[in-house]
Amino acid sequence: DIQMTQSPSSLSASVGDRVTITCRASQSINRFLNWYQQKPGKAPKLLIYAASNLESGVPSRFSGSGSGTDFALTISSLQPEDFAAYYCQQSYSPPLTFGGGTKVEVK
Amino acid sequence: EVQLVESGGGLIQPGGSLRLSCAASGFTVSNTYMTWVRQAPGKGLEWVSVLYSGGSTYYADSVKGRFTISRDDSKNTLYLQMNSLRAEDTAVYYCVRDRPSEVGQLLLWGQGTLVTVSS
Repeated sequence: DIQMTQSPSSLSASVGDRVTITCRASQSINRFLNWYQQKPGKAPKLLIYAASNLESGVPSRFSGSGSGTDFALTISSLQPEDFAAYYCQQSYSPPLTFGGGTKVEVK
Repeated sequence: EVQLVESGGGLIQPGGSLRLSCAASGFTVSNTYMTWVRQAPGKGLEWVSVLYSGGSTYYADSVKGRFTISRDDSKNTLYLQMNSLRAEDTAVYYCVRDRPSEVGQLLLWGQGTLVTVSS
């Protein structure tokens, strides 16, 4: 099975900060990498698919990059509504594993 | 309206069985990939199982041999049969519609149903 390692597990940031979360796969997954945002008590929401494609309706301050084993999610200017948990997930081969998550908190 | 509504969660004793249902509206379950994802209290997301439109199924190692994903086309409903339940299966279970033709891009999520395994 492919293991997904996300870092950091949590971070503290302020509104307006640039935030980067990284995700590493245990083997090459090409660009089969997706990012999700989850707010407390809510279902996750797909933000980025296929490593760098912005899902419809997602603000352009979110961006994704990477291929192979190393990926990143960047929020260019953190907004109040962005404080949430973020998860990467590989869709290269089943089982389609998630990373452990990153909680973005108010500094 | 395109939506998913899960049901069937509840309190069950270790070793017991439970069947979760996910009623779909606004699209046809049999025409797309359908996935179950779970989240233990205070923990991260865990992919559980996927059912392809063609009928192929895959499972996480943690549930393989105990859980079965299926669908009823006449009811446009997805199921997750869970047997030999353990305390570590306690979680909110989400039913998810993948993006059509792109397995693993989890696009439409249900509200989730809580399963608690405890004596």
